[in-house]
Amino acid sequence: DADVTQTPRNRITKTGKRIMLECSQTKGHDRMYWYRQDPGLGLRLIYYSFDVKDINKGEISDGYSVSRQAQAKFSLSLESAIPNQTALYFCATSEPLSGRGETQYFGPGTRLLVL
Amino acid sequence: DQQVKQNSPSLSVQEGRISILNCDYTNSMFDYFLWYKKYPAEGPTFLISISSIKDKNEDGRFTVFLNKSAKHLSLHIVPSQPGDSAVYFCAASDASDSGGGADGLTFGKGTHLIIQP
Repeated sequence: DADVTQTPRNRITKTGKRIMLECSQTKGHDRMYWYRQDPGLGLRLIYYSFDVKDINKGEISDGYSVSRQAQAKFSLSLESAIPNQTALYFCATSEPLSGRGETQYFGPGTRLLVL
Repeated sequence: DQQVKQNSPSLSVQEGRISILNCDYTNSMFDYFLWYKKYPAEGPTFLISISSIKDKNEDGRFTVFLNKSAKHLSLHIVPSQPGDSAVYFCAASDASDSGGGADGLTFGKGTHLIIQP
């Protein structure tokens, strides 16, 4: 079974609709992240959460919101979807390691198309 | 302003030969570097990492070299195999960030490695 799962895997929606992408993890990590990937642009950070009570904006948070329902669950919402939010969305988790960097583990991604 | 740069969008290497993927960074606060491998329709998979206190880290066929003075790192794959064909992302973080961890990784745009038989 996958440690980090994302639902749905694919989604088509229309401009102006509200949609939610969900992420669950069984790794027991406190830290969770949402990234988007656009062709030729690599991955960019949208939001991150260090624990249930801690939510932080990333590089490109405008137009998005998140909810950390539990340690294992981190949802990304598009309040009013627009076509330039068409992208691949990845959830990731990590665990802090004192004194050195941490490795992030990614889910399989959600492909979103906004018409 | 791109802080992590992978200047080769694609690289073609013959099976059995060495693949060398390059990455440059501009932020001198970065002190932890990772390489991820990504197949189509899958999420990035962690491959190998290196801390700035080291200049080399090896794991099987994969070796990462770090040149801090040049702000450059490279991933060597020897020997290259067909299953290595994928997109490789270089990523960096500032591990000294408050809380002892990184507020996300900064990624390069990726290099598509193609291993030819």
